[in-house]
Amino acid sequence: QVQLQQPGAELVKPGASVKMSCKASGYTFTSYWMHWVKQRPGQGLEWIGVIDPSDSYTSYNQKFKGKATLTVDTSSSTAYMQLSSLTSEDSAVYYCTRGGRAMDYWGQGTSVTVSS
Amino acid sequence: DIVMSQSPSSLAVSVGEKVTMSCKSSQSLLYSSNQKNYLAWYQQKPGQSPKLLIYWASTRESGVPDRFTGSGSGTDFTLTISSVKAEDLAVYYCQQYYSYPWTFGGGTKLEIK
Repeated sequence: QVQLQQPGAELVKPGASVKMSCKASGYTFTSYWMHWVKQRPGQGLEWIGVIDPSDSYTSYNQKFKGKATLTVDTSSSTAYMQLSSLTSEDSAVYYCTRGGRAMDYWGQGTSVTVSS
Repeated sequence: DIVMSQSPSSLAVSVGEKVTMSCKSSQSLLYSSNQKNYLAWYQQKPGQSPKLLIYWASTRESGVPDRFTGSGSGTDFTLTISSVKAEDLAVYYCQQYYSYPWTFGGGTKLEIK
């Protein structure tokens, strides 16, 4: 069965960077694009960007250009998102989600807390 | 960017009632070459990740109960729950995948009386 495994939580200091992972299993990793979505506490969903694992083509929401960087490691079927220059506005849950039928499978999300 | 608007923002219903919620897009989501509407609905229960319910505006995802129905075309869409169950307590989001950046509506929070 399709699974997207994400670490549960990250605590990072303001101004630092964080790189979170999303390990895919149960399907051919390079056959489906991987999207990333942000959800601040008590708020709605915001699309960050997408990567094609077959060639690392990326497309970003303009709002997150310079903030998020998407990469993949096809040898381990893992997608990564790095967030830089973190502020309190970046404290949120970040989901990876497979781009099959719309966004058909979702990870459990990584909760990022930015605090000194 | 395509703006997605959902209404109402919240509603409270009794078990067994029929529920209808609306989603409107700032431009048409109907792709002329294949006559498909690039609109999806997701359900997010408290403390959980979103779950895909409906894609192509009206195609039910595998395993989704048939009390959930998506309809509409162009810029106006509806999600209907024919007979609400207590387990349907959740926030429902519509989302367009017609063009990047993909965008979500603000959500409709369904509460059970």
